[in-house]
Amino acid sequence: EAQVTQNPRYLITVTGKKLTVTCSQNMNHEYMSWYRQDPGLGLRQIYYSMNVEVTDKGDVPEGYKVSRKEKRNFPLILESPSPNQTSLYFCASSLESGNQPQHFGDGTRLSIL
Amino acid sequence: AQSVTQLGSHVSVSEGALVLLRCNYSSSVPPYLFWYVQYPNQGLQLLLKYTSAATLVKGINGFEAEFKKSETSFHLTKPSAHMSDAAEYFCAVSDPGNFNKFYFGSGTKLNVKP
Repeated sequence: EAQVTQNPRYLITVTGKKLTVTCSQNMNHEYMSWYRQDPGLGLRQIYYSMNVEVTDKGDVPEGYKVSRKEKRNFPLILESPSPNQTSLYFCASSLESGNQPQHFGDGTRLSIL
Repeated sequence: AQSVTQLGSHVSVSEGALVLLRCNYSSSVPPYLFWYVQYPNQGLQLLLKYTSAATLVKGINGFEAEFKKSETSFHLTKPSAHMSDAAEYFCAVSDPGNFNKFYFGSGTKLNVKP
């Protein structure tokens, strides 16, 4: 079954404590991306990756890092989380760069206290 | 940056009635346009997309959307609403200068009354 898997699904943590949200896809997709969803703002793109070792900023990259060392994995790293990063996060993938997001994970709800 | 406006954060229709969800974009160069649906506690699913072929695009679950360049609109319609259509709907556009960047509207929650 085609899947984008995010972990954890829920996390409550404190300001400044580094955290990583993992994202893995089993479809051999080239393109992966991260979004945050906030009420009234829809989804905003944080980072995207066109292939292994190729990443670029989306619309709201401040405070986030990503890496793409393997094709299947695209972790989102918050080195020093702050309360304004409390949000619902989605990872998505598509077969090739230039394609719209095709498969989304089920989301990770982060609360930064 | 692109801008996507969805008019109406909440829309309520009766079962069997027409569904019309509005989306306008702000690009002088027509972007690629998409509609997604999100059910509670799930990720988004692609309903349909416009990529400069036919202006009337048919998607899954009986939905369709029409691209109107003169109005910079891409409204989503369905002739007859079903209870299972209750969800949140997002319009999205790609950046005409970078097809790897995407911008989403703020979403419209569709309620279907029996």
